[in-house]
Amino acid sequence: GAGVSQSPSNKVTEKGKDVELRCDPISGHTALYWYRQSLGQGLEFLIYFQGNSAPDKSGLPSDRFSAERTGGSVSTLTIQRTQQEDSAVYLCASSLVGVRELFFGEGSRLTVL
Amino acid sequence: SQQGEEDPQALSIQEGENATMNCSYKTSINNLQWYRQNSGRGLVHLILIRSNEREKHSGRLRVTLDTSKKSSSLLITASRAADTASYFCATDAIETGAQKLVFGQGTRLTINP
Repeated sequence: GAGVSQSPSNKVTEKGKDVELRCDPISGHTALYWYRQSLGQGLEFLIYFQGNSAPDKSGLPSDRFSAERTGGSVSTLTIQRTQQEDSAVYLCASSLVGVRELFFGEGSRLTVL
Repeated sequence: SQQGEEDPQALSIQEGENATMNCSYKTSINNLQWYRQNSGRGLVHLILIRSNEREKHSGRLRVTLDTSKKSSSLLITASRAADTASYFCATDAIETGAQKLVFGQGTRLTINP
């Protein structure tokens, strides 16, 4: 596709359930980022992938959060045992190596009841 | 804590007026970027200014960078209703290897017709 694609666009789940959020970056972009944005707030860095290097996981808020990137392309963010405070918009972005401009998807809005 | 902090948090002006938003950051950077986010959408890159640049223009946008004060400003001239959005600055801190792009809390700009 032409841009970064995220799915689902909206997800409502019950507290305690696991959720998976998917990001399909722009073809050829080796860098991939996940951010979290709470209502009316700025972006909170979660994790960064660059090629085959070890990901920077320094922003993951707890061990309930994990992410993987298969084949250097599609990434999945998994939240286990969701809590109400996990409710937010999860944004994915990708970029070319050495280029600092990020291209964002439309986000996945997660609501934990 | 956030690397970038925008000021003001919210700004409301009349169409045709100029809008100025400020961003302050804490550590040495390689470059600073500004992004726009329309309500419910992903972020869109506007402009990047490198640490060795002091001013940059793009259409109706003018960005300044003062590394001695660790601050940047975004000026939108001759504002239009379509400029209504949230604006974020983002920095890559040299101390963290310049990989992680850190965003501020944003300025919500409203252009009144």
